[in-house]
Amino acid sequence: GAVVSQHPSWVICKSGTSVKIECRSLDFQATTMFWYRQFPKQSLMLMATSNEGSKATYEQGVEKDKFLINHASLTLSTLTVTSAHPEDSSFYICSAGTGGELGYTFGSGTRLTVV
Amino acid sequence: EDKVVQSPLSLVVHEGDTVTLNCSYEVTNFRSLLWYKQEKKAPTFLFMLTSSGIEKKSGRLSSILDKKELSSILNITATQTGDSAIYLCAGPLGGYQKVTFGIGTKLQVIP
Repeated sequence: GAVVSQHPSWVICKSGTSVKIECRSLDFQATTMFWYRQFPKQSLMLMATSNEGSKATYEQGVEKDKFLINHASLTLSTLTVTSAHPEDSSFYICSAGTGGELGYTFGSGTRLTVV
Repeated sequence: EDKVVQSPLSLVVHEGDTVTLNCSYEVTNFRSLLWYKQEKKAPTFLFMLTSSGIEKKSGRLSSILDKKELSSILNITATQTGDSAIYLCAGPLGGYQKVTFGIGTKLQVIP
């Protein structure tokens, strides 16, 4: 149980276009989903916390208008990178959970390359 | 399909105890295995292991990879309450491969 699917796994897009990344909890309802970005030396930075039906809470320094997060249902959250630039190229990972004792399950990540 | 299995799921120890957390994996095109500590926000990177048999050490934490057994252990000696967290094992991370996280071991250190 507790499977989180992230799609796509890998995307290349042109500078200036927008890219949508999906995070789905397949066999449970996730009240909370987190979006992370990977930085050098394997560190993961939390970008935002998304609760179903409400606006996402962004971490300091993360541009809300650039990284649009939608959590419209208990099984799906999306991250849209708008007007992508090469510096947005990175590995984005989501995790989902109910906040209880089971903790959170990570998706398999999306490698975004902006050219 | 890639798989990362951690054990135990949950562990409660007293301060000063030594703990060993286990991670076994089945990952295609193995490159590295990583350990993270998750407390509140983003998981904190602990170790990246690529070579078998070479121990990596950071203070009271150490980790080693056994490629033959497809496993890794994370040791914490002289545990402190601040070590209480969920410890995650993942592989591989980055590049153009999918990442697979284990579900984590929840460690609670009581005074």
